[in-house]
Amino acid sequence: NAGVTQTPKFRILKIGQSMTLQCAQDMNHNYMYWYRQDPGMGLKLIYYSVGAGITDKGEVPNGYNVSRSTTEDFPLRLELAAPSQTSVYFCASSLPENIQYFGAGTRLSVL
Amino acid sequence: DAKTTQPNSMESNEEEPVHLPCNHSTISGTDYIHWYRQLPSQGPEYVIHGLTSNVNNRMASLAIAEDRKSSTLILHRATLRDAAVYYCILRDVGSGTYKYIFGTGTRLKVLA
Repeated sequence: NAGVTQTPKFRILKIGQSMTLQCAQDMNHNYMYWYRQDPGMGLKLIYYSVGAGITDKGEVPNGYNVSRSTTEDFPLRLELAAPSQTSVYFCASSLPENIQYFGAGTRLSVL
Repeated sequence: DAKTTQPNSMESNEEEPVHLPCNHSTISGTDYIHWYRQLPSQGPEYVIHGLTSNVNNRMASLAIAEDRKSSTLILHRATLRDAAVYYCILRDVGSGTYKYIFGTGTRLKVLA
């Protein structure tokens, strides 16, 4: 049972480049989430989804986009990367009213 | 959204109990109190959660004040592997989305 899988583990982007962070879960969870964690800080919610085709903004959505075409996958798209998006990104999934399971994270640097 | 307040850091000796406090004075009646921990270079992992009553599981105990404005995570015998950042989180159920609001957590150092 793989749980929540994030790819890539590390990435360096140049300012203005775009990329997609991948997240997949094999637990048939309806809910999925994207967080970012800046150094020494807690996690901040970027976007979340309560099911395929349904997404909504969290605390810090600017500069990001998401889609949810399947239950299993919840990719996070960065358009026109900026140094302020240098962070560690975590994906999580859960059943409704249940605990969240987190992936190992993607460490992104924008230079 | 209700917020939590935790000490930035705490230290404990190995094999001694650890009490990690959390204040949540603006908690609403339907907010669950969740605790997660984050080991170095890993994603957060679930520890325990509760609503009103004290809770126990294999990892820890959760003591919730009668007025629910504070709670304490209890590790009964700290080990070196328990060194992590511990987050006390209120689950936002107001919109039915079950979002978590993370604070900055308490960094626990365990001394050998």
